[in-house]
Amino acid sequence: AQTVTQSQPEMSVQEAETVTLSCTYDTSESDYYLFWYKQPPSRQMILVIRQEAYKQQNATENRFSVNFQKAAKSFSLKISDSQLGDAAMYFCAYAVGTSYGKLTFGQGTILTVHP
Amino acid sequence: DAMVIQNPRYQVTQFGKPVTLSCSQTLNHNVMYWYQQKSSQAPKLLFHYYDKDFNNEADTPDNFQSRRPNTSFCFLDIRSPGLGDAAMYLCATSRATGELFFGEGSRLTVL
Repeated sequence: AQTVTQSQPEMSVQEAETVTLSCTYDTSESDYYLFWYKQPPSRQMILVIRQEAYKQQNATENRFSVNFQKAAKSFSLKISDSQLGDAAMYFCAYAVGTSYGKLTFGQGTILTVHP
Repeated sequence: DAMVIQNPRYQVTQFGKPVTLSCSQTLNHNVMYWYQQKSSQAPKLLFHYYDKDFNNEADTPDNFQSRRPNTSFCFLDIRSPGLGDAAMYLCATSRATGELFFGEGSRLTVL
């Protein structure tokens, strides 16, 4: 069975600084996707960034980028120039390629942004 | 405008009293999902519909059922809620291989 582990229950960052959230996963599949989702308090979960396992290049979306280390099964999220609106619960998630929407989530990391 | 709408946002029920949560979407996505998120835990997939085909996760309790009368609507029925069923229930939609769009969730309290 696939598992996703987020070892940082909570993280904090100063506004405008950079923070990295960690995620490791375990799978025997070769075709899979990795995601970071953001869940603000009382708001819906939204996709932050997605990585296809077959792509070597790390995905980036504006201030958000990932460090995908396939051999190490590591998938960290870097948030640059942190903003107050980045404060949320962040979930790392995994999906087998043929079951794209069937996500296995990590436990989540609560990110606090200090002004 | 909200694209995945869940109702009610908050539901209080008594132990053993059936409850239905609803989800509607304006995206015309063919796949709809129900996830259960207990306090301080990761969301866990209960089941999903691919068009009209129902797909149950192996460890989803029989107490949980779902209906999808049309493309836009999907319902989660909890036949006899127990204290352990208190959770946030998240509905999500997607095209077959696309991004998931989540609703804001329905928080269920069981007294």
